[in-house]
Amino acid sequence: SQQGEEDPQALSIQEGENATMNCSYKTSINNLQWYRQNSGRGLVHLILIRSNEREKHSGRLRVTLDTSKKSSSLLITASRAADTASYFCATDEGGDMRFGAGTRLTVKP
Amino acid sequence: NAGVTQTPKFQVLKTGQSMTLQCAQDMNHNSMYWYRQDPGMGLRLIYYSASEGTTDKGEVPNGYNVSRLNKREFSLRLESAAPSQTSVYFCASSETGRRNQPQHFGDGTRLSIL
Repeated sequence: SQQGEEDPQALSIQEGENATMNCSYKTSINNLQWYRQNSGRGLVHLILIRSNEREKHSGRLRVTLDTSKKSSSLLITASRAADTASYFCATDEGGDMRFGAGTRLTVKP
Repeated sequence: NAGVTQTPKFQVLKTGQSMTLQCAQDMNHNSMYWYRQDPGMGLRLIYYSASEGTTDKGEVPNGYNVSRLNKREFSLRLESAAPSQTSVYFCASSETGRRNQPQHFGDGTRLSIL
């Protein structure tokens, strides 16, 4: 069963705009991870945020975690056409990582 | 840096045929995983191996077997393929034996069963 659920399912923006994706989960976690998947490729790990952290940055990526609301968001600033991909959150439940169904991001040049 | 290599990339099978999907990693990672990815769903864990010689069932193990041949290689076998096993299969690895650490993925095997 899926643990994290992303919202929206699909997002289309213009190059230069910011993109925000959300992830909700149901049980307590130790960490939450975000991955990117380009079409026809495997997942690539982007960032890990621990349950005692509220915000984390990596380049143009900003991840927040609100454990009281059991939710996380991924913000991509100044998006580029190369950011077009599917983005997945994954949470650890019983030790295994559980992946959501993903948000499909399209960045138009 | 090859990372995680999966073979084959594509395969078409008939119902009832058997097949082994191969996976190898060159990062000296301890843990290896097999997932399947179906449209509209997240990845689902089939089997996991924390170290050479050990394997554990994941969320959807029925119809599959695995072998951790050595630290580098982790294979997935379908003994009698069924149309419900049509999917994209991903192998992944992570550095430690803990299953909630960042994972490195191969580019997948696209398997169709007719």
